[in-house]
Parts: sequence; C-alpha cells; structure tokens
Amino acid sequence: GQQLNQSPQSMFIQEGEDVSMNCTSSSIFNTWLWYKQDPGEGPVLLIALYKAGELTSNGRLTAQFGITRKDSFLNISASIPSDVGIYFCAGQLNAGNNRKLIWGLGTSLAVNP
Amino acid sequence: ETGVTQTPRHLVMGMTNKKSLKCEQHLGHNAMYWYKQSAKKPLELMFVYNFKEQTENNSVPSRFSPECPNSSHLFLHLHTLQPEDSALYLCASSQVQGSSYNSPLHFGNGTRLTVT
Repeated sequence: GQQLNQSPQSMFIQEGEDVSMNCTSSSIFNTWLWYKQDPGEGPVLLIALYKAGELTSNGRLTAQFGITRKDSFLNISASIPSDVGIYFCAGQLNAGNNRKLIWGLGTSLAVNP
Repeated sequence: ETGVTQTPRHLVMGMTNKKSLKCEQHLGHNAMYWYKQSAKKPLELMFVYNFKEQTENNSVPSRFSPECPNSSHLFLHLHTLQPEDSALYLCASSQVQGSSYNSPLHFGNGTRLTVT
C-alpha cells in the first residue's frame, strides 16, 4: 500500500540539541499529523496541520505543512531526555477521513543527558 | 479513568487458543478503531466502528473478529492465529460528525501479542 518516506529512521543526540525530521509523499495530502509514541504506550497527537504552508508550534515543537502539500517537517528545539520516543508522521488524502491515514515508519529519537 | 484503556497489556497465546482483547474509551467518542503495529511496517488500520456499526474492514483475515457492543467498548476476538500475527494491537477512538472522521485519533497503550 501507499507509504510515506520518513527520515531519518533514527537519531541519537545530546540533550540541548535541536532535532529535525521530515516526511515526504508522492501524493498530495490535505492534512498532516505528527504523533509521538513513548516506550510502552500508544501514539499521542503532537501537532495537526490543515493548510499548505501552515507553520504550527506546540511548546518546543514546530511543524510545517509543505507548500507542495507533499511534505512536512517537525522540529524539536533544545531537546530534553523526555523527548525520547518514536515520532510518526501521518497524512490524510481526503480531508475529514482519518480512516484513510497513511503512516510513516517513524523516527526513533534517543537523547543523551 | 480517562482516555483509552486496553487490556491485557501483554498476551501470549498458542496457535490453537482463543483469546480476546478489550478496549474501553472514556472520552465520549462515537468511533473506535483497531490498528496493528509491527516492526518496520507502518501502522495498519484493521477495523473501524461508528456507533457500533462497522464502517471499515481492511481485508483482515477472519481469524480476527471484532465486536463493538456500544460506542465505549471494543473487542478483538482471536482464534487460530499465526506467529506472524504477533504485534502490538492498538485501539483508538475519535469523534465522528456526520460522515466526517476528521477529529484526532486517541490511542490506548496497546496489547503486546505473541503467538507461539
């Protein structure tokens, strides 16, 4: 089935560093979502993006909906140990239908205190 | 309790066993979902229920049988599973308005299933 290309696959950084990850698709999406999954837990929504060019922040997290509508990135500034986890992007082809979410494979983030 | 609760957290079963996974949501949502999460694969949507009515079945083998008795409870009945069915099974819920499934998914913490 259709799949998003999410990169990098994994990252190992020092506490305090900034992090950037992105997702690209061959299809145009109407919605981009970023989720985080902590070890042993389910994914939790971080940021939702609904318009091309939209830039949205949630604390130290900033995500953007690419102008082409085929990509999105997530930045984390001044990382801390609790940022550890797997970050997933998900795209929606049709607005209003999360039954048709396309998921990336995740970026695994490790933070060295 | 708040959120989406899944039990059990871990399950080991033989290929001839019958077991059930349970999910309960305390968010007042009207749609519930089963997802399968396997290593090196994207999240796979299995089933969707809206107000107890199944609205999505993504070609899931019949050895997985969902049940949604009301909008707060969702079960996944398992029988004669295969080792490749070992995975994390995630339940989620959301609020559906009309035909719009646009509100964010809220996930439970999953059941880690191992089929031996």
